[in-house]
Amino acid sequence: DSGVTQTPKHLITATGQRVTLRCSPRSGDLSVYWYQQSLDQGLQFLIHYYNGEERAKGNILERFSAQQFPDLHSELNLSSLELGDSALYFCASSLPRAPYEQYFGPGTRLTVT
Amino acid sequence: AQSVSQHNHHVILSEAASLELGCNYSYGGTVNLFWYVQYPGQHLQLLLKYFSGDPLVKGIKGFEAEFIKSKFSFNLRKPSVQWSDTAEYFCAVNALDYKLSFGAGTTVTVRA
Repeated sequence: DSGVTQTPKHLITATGQRVTLRCSPRSGDLSVYWYQQSLDQGLQFLIHYYNGEERAKGNILERFSAQQFPDLHSELNLSSLELGDSALYFCASSLPRAPYEQYFGPGTRLTVT
Repeated sequence: AQSVSQHNHHVILSEAASLELGCNYSYGGTVNLFWYVQYPGQHLQLLLKYFSGDPLVKGIKGFEAEFIKSKFSFNLRKPSVQWSDTAEYFCAVNALDYKLSFGAGTTVTVRA
């Protein structure tokens, strides 16, 4: 157990819908990263937040957005869902003094039908 | 942008055999290198990391990796695998922007 928690574990929804994935980082970690793992794209970085501020964006679609709240938990919002959005979404966190070392949560498996 | 390539898609071996997984990256600057393992149905776990210093790094579960700067490589090794090492292994790199760039992963199947 890395100490990073994610909810829900599984999510099944229909095309066109909107979902919110939640992540709580390890105690003391200020950074939260979101990654998508799919069969065709592999593991891809989506976005990085540090202490509430967006720090970097990767291959994140415009239909996706994220935020980090004052209590440091983060939410990833996925809207207008398409079949191709089906994937495992991982959150990771890191300490301010060790920003390069990321610890991953258990992931949320999203299935779009 | 950095990219990571892992040479083997799927490796099958018997218990007690030695394992070596190749990883090459492309990035001209200073990088940090990682190997993560993902056991079936579980999340990514950090096996080992290299930031600087001794290019031979030891991780958990008897794994080690060697950084060869001239070859842009960071190969993972284990002298004697166990059935419980069956998993997917990912090489990853990050540079100054903190994001991790992952290789495609290598599935390792250890037969009892």
